[in-house]
Amino acid sequence: SAVISQKPSRDICQRGTSLTIQCQVDSQVTMMFWYRQQPGQSLTLIATANQGSEATYESGFVIDKFPISRPNLTFSTLTVSNMSPEDSSIYLCSVDPGTVNYGYTFGSGTRLTVV
Amino acid sequence: AQSVTQPDIHITVSEGASLELRCNYSYGATPYLFWYVQSPGQGLQLLLKYFSGDTLVQGIKGFEAEFKRSQSSFNLRKPSVHWSDAAEYFCAVETYGGSQGNLIFGKGTKLSVKP
Repeated sequence: SAVISQKPSRDICQRGTSLTIQCQVDSQVTMMFWYRQQPGQSLTLIATANQGSEATYESGFVIDKFPISRPNLTFSTLTVSNMSPEDSSIYLCSVDPGTVNYGYTFGSGTRLTVV
Repeated sequence: AQSVTQPDIHITVSEGASLELRCNYSYGATPYLFWYVQSPGQGLQLLLKYFSGDTLVQGIKGFEAEFKRSQSSFNLRKPSVHWSDAAEYFCAVETYGGSQGNLIFGKGTKLSVKP
């Protein structure tokens, strides 16, 4: 299965600033996904990022707040903009390796604390 | 709407005892089902998945799960728990076949293991 390198692993940020999270995959994948896991909660899909097209955002998430880039088939970034303490969460990227035999693979996550 | 229910928020078992974590889903068609484990401070690791075929699925680390369509359930089991199994476990359903990427997660079950 695909191996994902996600960074930073954690960060503490001031409110009003932005943080960009990177995910690098060791193989080419068509679809990459960004999830948010709020403290004590489950995972919620933020958006789906396909190379060469605009990301598709889920209800409740907007591009101005969570801009995503997908410049090629192995890399994506998620930016959390104009942060507030409510953005404190774990952010995870995930990939679909393109075959149902593998299942979705997740990065190790970015633990964000906004102060 | 599609949903996943994990009725148990927290379970404590003794080391060496058997384990069953419950998962119920709501989805009109045949679902693709997953169990993931998240150790503290880590990302998600895929334990096992069900797409079709044999309803008893074997996974990594000695885990298995059984898909029961009549009960809309996909319970995770392990015959003998090890201290290293202490983690949070998430059941998830993919709401479309193939590479659609929309995983719906349950709220998770935290497993504690007593020595």
